[in-house]
Amino acid sequence: DTGVSQDPRHKITKRGQNVTFRCDPISEHNRLYWYRQTLGQGPEFLTYFQNEAQLEKSRLLSDRFSAERPKGSFSTLEIQRTEQGDSAMYLCASSFGGTNSYFGPGTRLTVL
Amino acid sequence: GDSVTQMEGPVTLSEEAFLTINCTYTATGYPSLFWYVQYPGEGLQLLLKATKADDKGSNKGFEATYRKETTSFHLEKGSVQVSDSAVYFCALKGSEKLVFGKGTKLTVNP
Repeated sequence: DTGVSQDPRHKITKRGQNVTFRCDPISEHNRLYWYRQTLGQGPEFLTYFQNEAQLEKSRLLSDRFSAERPKGSFSTLEIQRTEQGDSAMYLCASSFGGTNSYFGPGTRLTVL
Repeated sequence: GDSVTQMEGPVTLSEEAFLTINCTYTATGYPSLFWYVQYPGEGLQLLLKATKADDKGSNKGFEATYRKETTSFHLEKGSVQVSDSAVYFCALKGSEKLVFGKGTKLTVNP
C-alpha cells in the first residue's frame, strides 16, 4: 500500500509534555497538509508545505506548534507543552500540484 | 472567509432508501467542491468532486451537482446499502486548503 501513512496512530500524554507526529506522504506528491479534527467537527486546516517550504499557517497553529518537512518528503508536527484542548485527531494529507488530497489514517492525541 | 454548511445529522435510513445530504457553501471566487467519506475506524476518502458550475460528480452510485446559483452541492444516492454507513463531509477548495463542513453521520439499517 503506497498511501499516506502516519505514526503513531494513537498517543496518550500528560499535560505539559511535548509530542511529535510523523507523516509520510505518497512518494511523488509535492504538497503536504496538516489538519486537526475534533469530535463532531470537520477537519480544520493547520498548515501546508510545497516540497520543503512551509507556505501557509493557520491562526489555529499557536506558537506551541511547529511543523517541518526537511527534505520535502516526510513531515513532522510537534506540539510543545501540550494542553487538554490539544486533544484531537491530527490528519495529514498529500497531493501533487494541488490536485486531489489523499488523507492518512490520522494520529489520535489524548492529553490527560 | 470561506465556509461550508451541511445538513445536521445523524441520518438513519433503511436499506434501499433514497439519500440526500444537503450542503451549501460561501466562498469568494469559484471553488472546487468535494464530498469525502469516513468509514468507521478509517481515514477520509475522496468520494466525488466537481470543479466548475453545473459539473456533476459521481462515484459508487453517489452523485452531486455543483449549483452556482444556489451555492449548493447536495449529495444523493438512489438506493443506500448498509455498507454506506459512514460520516460524510462536504468540502470546498478555493485556494490551497480544504474547508470542511461538520459532517453528517449516516446509518443504514438492514
